[in-house]
Amino acid sequence: DAGVTQSPTHLIKTRGQQVTLRCSPKSGHDTVSWYQQALGQGPQFIFQYYEEEERQRGNFPDRFSGHQFPNYSSELNVNALLLGDSALYLCASSLEGIEYFGPGTRLTVT
Amino acid sequence: RKEVEQDPGPFNVPEGATVAFNCTYSNSASQSFFWYRQDCRKEPKLLMSVYSSGNEDGRFTAQLNRASQYISLLIRDSKLSDSATYLCVVSSGRRALTFGSGTRLQVQP
Repeated sequence: DAGVTQSPTHLIKTRGQQVTLRCSPKSGHDTVSWYQQALGQGPQFIFQYYEEEERQRGNFPDRFSGHQFPNYSSELNVNALLLGDSALYLCASSLEGIEYFGPGTRLTVT
Repeated sequence: RKEVEQDPGPFNVPEGATVAFNCTYSNSASQSFFWYRQDCRKEPKLLMSVYSSGNEDGRFTAQLNRASQYISLLIRDSKLSDSATYLCVVSSGRRALTFGSGTRLQVQP
């Protein structure tokens, strides 16, 4: 049984560009959450998707948007990248409240 | 004030030592509590859920004090492989997880 997978593993972008990160949840999991983890900090909640709708959102600007597909996979889009968006982006899938994390995408904005 | 606060450490302990971490949370509506472990440059992994009655999993014991709004993790007989960052996590119902910044543990030979 594959766990949560994310792609790409690493990404380097320039300020002002746009990026799309992808996540496939664990088999049977219907809820996907995205987190941003800056160096030395705990993960910060961005948003959560359930049944293809954004169910909750953390304190992130509208530059951060997402989507969930019918097969429960999800994308995170970030527009107009800032240097401060450099972080590890973690996807977590859950069923009945326990969240399991993917390996993350390390985004560097230069 | 952060929603979940932890001492960042690092805690440097010898192998075989017992070490305890505490964490406080500010949202009294929090219903679910967890400890996650995160190795350097890896994803967080669930170590254990924390229940009101306290719970134990091998060398690990977790306690919850709702009145004082703190959670603890005790590790007995520390191993080198326990070296990691331990993240205190709370959740309110089906809401997303709120993480502390983590406590770093370094077990030394």
